[in-house]
Amino acid sequence: ILNVEQSPQSLHVQEGDSTNFTCSFPSSNFYALHWYRWETAKSPEALFVMTLNGDEKKKGRISATLNTKEGYSYLYIKGSQPEDSATYLCAPHSGYSTLTFGKGTMLLVSP
Amino acid sequence: GAVVSQHPSWVICKSGTSVKIECRSLDFQATTMFWYRQFPKQSLMLMATSNEGSKATYEQGVEKDKFLINHASLTLSTLTVTSAHPEDSSFYICSASGRAADTQYFGPGTRLTVL
Repeated sequence: ILNVEQSPQSLHVQEGDSTNFTCSFPSSNFYALHWYRWETAKSPEALFVMTLNGDEKKKGRISATLNTKEGYSYLYIKGSQPEDSATYLCAPHSGYSTLTFGKGTMLLVSP
Repeated sequence: GAVVSQHPSWVICKSGTSVKIECRSLDFQATTMFWYRQFPKQSLMLMATSNEGSKATYEQGVEKDKFLINHASLTLSTLTVTSAHPEDSSFYICSASGRAADTQYFGPGTRLTVL
């Protein structure tokens, strides 16, 4: 089981603010990292799968970067909206191992 | 696409009874399904991985005789919590993928409360 740390644990921003949070993981034997968004009372939704060092993925106002050498990934949300309120989970895995989830960052965006 | 359903969404049962939770992939064939448990303010903890037609692989510390997993088809896996006790009360969520390292598609979860 990998040691996965996500920070901050929770975040409260105003509508329109841009925000970012971090996922840290062991850099050895890295294979891929997944980001999920989990809204209350819904299923976790896959956002990104990242594999290469220096990868940057974007989906609308949400983007993510990956540094496999130092073992971290950033998730950015530009111009946060109330509908972005959710828990954001990262899950790295090595080779054919299963995903190991962090505790998540709970984001609340106030109108 | 890639929709996973889970049933029931919540269940309350008496101590000592068994509870079955179903996980279905509705629009794709899931060769691998995963069962997770989440306690309050904790991360999703993998309980077991099941491949269609074979025995589930349980994570360390998860009792296979207590948490029975069946993955009889490419679209259905079931988790049965046998002789449930209050300490089994938790949020159980399943996911499905095409193979072990692919993106996992999650069900909405089941809240189990054992009285």
